[in-house]
Amino acid sequence: DIVMTQAPLSVSVTPGESASISCRSSKSLLHSNGITYVYWYLQKPGKSPQLLIYRMSNLASGVPDRFSGSGSETDFTLKISRVEAEDVGIYYCGQLLENPYTFGAGTKLELK
Amino acid sequence: EVQLVESGGGLVQPGRSMKLSCAASGFTFSNYGMAWVRQAPTKGLEWVATISYDGSSTYYRDSVKGRFTISRDNAKSTLYLQMNSLRSEDTATYYCTRGLLQWGQGASVTVSS
Repeated sequence: DIVMTQAPLSVSVTPGESASISCRSSKSLLHSNGITYVYWYLQKPGKSPQLLIYRMSNLASGVPDRFSGSGSETDFTLKISRVEAEDVGIYYCGQLLENPYTFGAGTKLELK
Repeated sequence: EVQLVESGGGLVQPGRSMKLSCAASGFTFSNYGMAWVRQAPTKGLEWVATISYDGSSTYYRDSVKGRFTISRDNAKSTLYLQMNSLRSEDTATYYCTRGLLQWGQGASVTVSS
């Protein structure tokens, strides 16, 4: 199985500042079709996960452009510019390249 | 607007069965692969099973193979998860997803005597 490793496990951010979350996969997530199958989700307190970024760098519909995704074949970054109160929650990276689909352990974002 | 509404959760004894349903709306259900993802209390996300758009292909995580069955009724725009021989470690909130992109609100399943 592909292992997804996130860091840090928690981050505390001052509103208006930026935050970065890293995710590393144990195998390249770059498919031969040129698409990198890494996804980012946010689970707000008491809610179901919502998609933020798909295929490494594509912003999901309705997601503010303060969120961005980047990376290589095995190392990925979610960046949040100008963190707001509504960004609080747990962020997960996930791979949809192959079964079983797997997720990172999650990064909890809190406000200072 | 895509809507996925799960039902059928609750408390069940170990070894018994339970069937979850997911009513889909706001999109052409028969065009999309669907999946179930679960989350044990205070834990992370765990993919459970996937079914192709037409139901011809299914995939399961090892720990549920032979016990869980994912299925769909495209005429009713409904996804199912039949869970047999339930174990305490199956206790979780089960999310219906459209290809792991859109998620329902979840159905809570507690396996306990």
